[in-house]
Amino acid sequence: QSVLTQPPSVSAAPGQKVTISCSGSSSNIGNNYVSWYQQLPGTAPKLLIYENNKRPSGIPDRFSGSKSGTSATLGITGLQTGDEADYYCGTWDSSLSALWVFGGGTKLTVL
Amino acid sequence: EVQLVETGGGLIQPGGSLRLSCAASGFTVSSNYMSWVRQAPGKGLEWVSVIYSGGSTYYADSVKGRFTISRDNSKNTLYLQMNSLRAEDTAVYYCARDPFGATIGWNWGQGTLVTVSS
Repeated sequence: QSVLTQPPSVSAAPGQKVTISCSGSSSNIGNNYVSWYQQLPGTAPKLLIYENNKRPSGIPDRFSGSKSGTSATLGITGLQTGDEADYYCGTWDSSLSALWVFGGGTKLTVL
Repeated sequence: EVQLVETGGGLIQPGGSLRLSCAASGFTVSSNYMSWVRQAPGKGLEWVSVIYSGGSTYYADSVKGRFTISRDNSKNTLYLQMNSLRAEDTAVYYCARDPFGATIGWNWGQGTLVTVSS
């Protein structure tokens, strides 16, 4: 059971838009920046979004992030088949069990 | 170019020990927050440990007392010493860099597989 809750899967057609939610608490998302990662099959994760809504160099503006209260959202527009991957949210946590926590991951299928 | 290369994984019996290495290039390990993150087969990401640029170390409860994170500044390499290994430690272990002390996983290695089984 992950500290941050994500839907197990989402799907949409090529060219469409999809959002992935990440729900936490005041000990994590509520008081910290959220990051998002993309993991293509068989590869290491890759940073997509940091500090809630900023994109590292090289990440297209089709990817966006937002945060409100204890929840965060990743948005992907103009879906491409190459976007099929697992997506994870992550943030710092002030609980005693872990300093950094990830969501359980969301499998994106581009139909 | 930033590069992280993990080595040291393999098959180990329960109760055994293993040391993972993460050789870094393109940046200085000691000037960054460096983490280990693992992923059990077919499962999600799990943060394991971090060493701050100042040297402070932190661990997930699941590995506290069994794993030790360290670095060798002269070799620009990060380590994870894993003792008293259990079947549930079976995973791909990634090292990850955080250059700003705010976002774990700005850069990632390719991972090394640790399998704990008799």
